[in-house]
Amino acid sequence: ELKVEQNPLFLSMQEGKNYTIYCNYSTTSDRLYWYRQDPGKSLESLFVLLSNGAVKQEGRLMASLDTKARLSTLHITAAVHDLSATYFCAVDTKTGNQFYFGTGTSLTVIP
Amino acid sequence: NAGVMQNPRHLVRRRGQEARLRCSPMKGHSHVYWYRQLPEEGLKFMVYLQKENIIDESGMPKERFSAEFPKEGPSILRIQQVVRGDSAAYFCASSPLLAGGTDTQYFGPGTRLTVL
Repeated sequence: ELKVEQNPLFLSMQEGKNYTIYCNYSTTSDRLYWYRQDPGKSLESLFVLLSNGAVKQEGRLMASLDTKARLSTLHITAAVHDLSATYFCAVDTKTGNQFYFGTGTSLTVIP
Repeated sequence: NAGVMQNPRHLVRRRGQEARLRCSPMKGHSHVYWYRQLPEEGLKFMVYLQKENIIDESGMPKERFSAEFPKEGPSILRIQQVVRGDSAAYFCASSPLLAGGTDTQYFGPGTRLTVL
């Protein structure tokens, strides 16, 4: 079974600081997705990374994919309180039938 | 264009009762996926359906759980004789493309099931 691991699981960071969330997965997959979930809410799509070396940026978030290392990163630049949420990465199988989600990283940005 | 719709948003059942969760995909989407999220955990795949067909149910328990996506109407996830361990958030997602495509899945707001 494909395994997806994120670290850290919990992250408390001060406003204005930078940090990176890591997502490792256990089998070949060229497609990786990042989602954001606020407490009690659904998942909001942030990034879709479709090939090795893909990099996407939106505001203070930047995601990258290294398919050879089976690693994706979500980098946070100059964190603000509004970024507090749980972030999930997900990969899909070659057949694309399902997403395998990581355990999530709960981010709290403190003033 | 309305997003993925799920109802009810909250459902309370007593042990032994049945739970029916409904999902209407986004307009133009013919692929529906059901996931379960336990507290403090990520989402776990349950079942993937296209209209009138179950494509992959490898994540769905063999007993008590069933899913359908009829030609007309929403997709239904049915849990018979619920137990406390079924308490979770159930999310539905939809996508427009065939399996193996590159489109993302769009998630509904979820149904939070509580079994007393």
